[in-house]
Amino acid sequence: NAGVTQTPKFRILKIGQSMTLQCAQDMNHNYMYWYRQDPGMGLKLIYYSVGAGITDKGEVPNGYNVSRSTTEDFPLRLELAAPSQTSVYFCASKGTSYEQYFGPGTRLTVT
Amino acid sequence: GEDVEQSLFLSVREGDSSVINCTYTDSSSTYLYWYKQEPGAGLQLLTYIFSNMDMKQDQRLTVLLNKKDKHLSLRIADTQTGDSAIYFCAESSNDYKLSFGAGTTVTVRA
Repeated sequence: NAGVTQTPKFRILKIGQSMTLQCAQDMNHNYMYWYRQDPGMGLKLIYYSVGAGITDKGEVPNGYNVSRSTTEDFPLRLELAAPSQTSVYFCASKGTSYEQYFGPGTRLTVT
Repeated sequence: GEDVEQSLFLSVREGDSSVINCTYTDSSSTYLYWYKQEPGAGLQLLTYIFSNMDMKQDQRLTVLLNKKDKHLSLRIADTQTGDSAIYFCAESSNDYKLSFGAGTTVTVRA
């Protein structure tokens, strides 16, 4: 099992550009999450999904979009990148246990 | 977030015990977690405790919960250099949506 994978690992965007952060899990987990981590701020939930076809907003959804067409994949879309979106993004998944499994993260810089 | 608070830094000597503290505000918190993040990696679950428990022990880790004061602590016995990491406290009133604290950076010195 690869667990939770994220691509890319690093990315630099110019203001106004768009991109999609990819996340995939091979554990057949129903729940998937996107978080952003800013220094001294912990993790903030952007969006989550409780199953294919179902998504919901977290604490900080503005500027982002998600889709969940399959159980395995949960891409995060940034439409018009802004410097405030400079952060480390983590995808996570959860099955029937209490544990959320995290990917290695994507470090995004918007300049 | 604002609902879960932790001190930001802790420095401890190798072999000593570390105690990381956390307070939360949601009285309906049912599940409380400790996650560990090593440099350049994602978070990994260390341990969790249900709100109807006072204590949980797992090898070198001891979790204490004071539900009245909404205070959670993680004690690491015989702290080693490999314990240097960021430790996140998290709470949830269900079992799938968590609120995380800002994380405590633990530095173990020789």
